[in-house]
Amino acid sequence: EAQVTQNPRYLITVTGKKLTVTCSQNMNHEYMSWYRQDPGLGLRQIYYSMNVEVTDKGDVPEGYKVSRKEKRNFPLILESPSPNQTSLYFCASSPNVGTPYEQYFGPGTRLTVT
Amino acid sequence: DQQVKQNSPSLSVQEGRISILNCDYTNSMFDYFLWYKKYPAEGPTFLISISSIKDKNEDGRFTVFLNKSAKHLSLHIVPSQPGDSAVYFCAASGSGTYKYIFGTGTRLKVLA
Repeated sequence: EAQVTQNPRYLITVTGKKLTVTCSQNMNHEYMSWYRQDPGLGLRQIYYSMNVEVTDKGDVPEGYKVSRKEKRNFPLILESPSPNQTSLYFCASSPNVGTPYEQYFGPGTRLTVT
Repeated sequence: DQQVKQNSPSLSVQEGRISILNCDYTNSMFDYFLWYKKYPAEGPTFLISISSIKDKNEDGRFTVFLNKSAKHLSLHIVPSQPGDSAVYFCAASGSGTYKYIFGTGTRLKVLA
C-alpha cells in the first residue's frame, strides 16, 4: 500500500531533550516536507526537500533540523525542544518537484513538550 | 502576515444543499492552488487543484473556482453529504518554488 508513515504517533517529552520524528514514504517520491498544525494557524511548512541531500527552509524552520540521506526517509529533529513546539506534525511527500503538485500526508505525530 | 486566508472558521449546511468554502490570497505570485480535506486523527488528503491559467476545475461533486483579479478561490460541493463533514484547507504555491502556504482551515458540518 502506498503510504507515508510517521513514528511515533504520540510523544510527550521534556524541555531540552533531543528527539527525532521519523518519516518514510514508499512511493519513490522526490519531494518531502514537514508541517505543523496549530489551532487558528492552520498548517505551516517547516522544511522541505526536493531530493536526496537537498533541503530548504519553509515558513517556520526555527528550532528544527532535517536530513535527507535516502529518498524514502525525511526525519525531523528537535535538538532542544521547547513548549512552543508542542504541536501536531505532519510529513508529506509528492512525486513532482518542478511543478506544484498534490502532496500525500502521513497520519500525524502529536508532540507535547513540558 | 497570512498570505492565504480562510475567513470562515466553520460552516454548517444541510445534506443535499451546496457547500461553498472560500479562500483569499494576497501574493500575486501564487499560480497553483489546492484544496485538502482533513478528518480528525488523520492527515490531510488532496481533493482538487487549479492552475492560474484556468478559472474553473471540476471533479465529480467538487468544483473549484478561481478569480485571479480578486485573488479569491472557492470550493463548491454539490450535493453535500454527511461524509463531507471535515476541515478543509486551501493551499497555494508558485511555479519555480517548492513552498506551500496553507490557510487556517474551515470546518464543514453537513447536517443529515
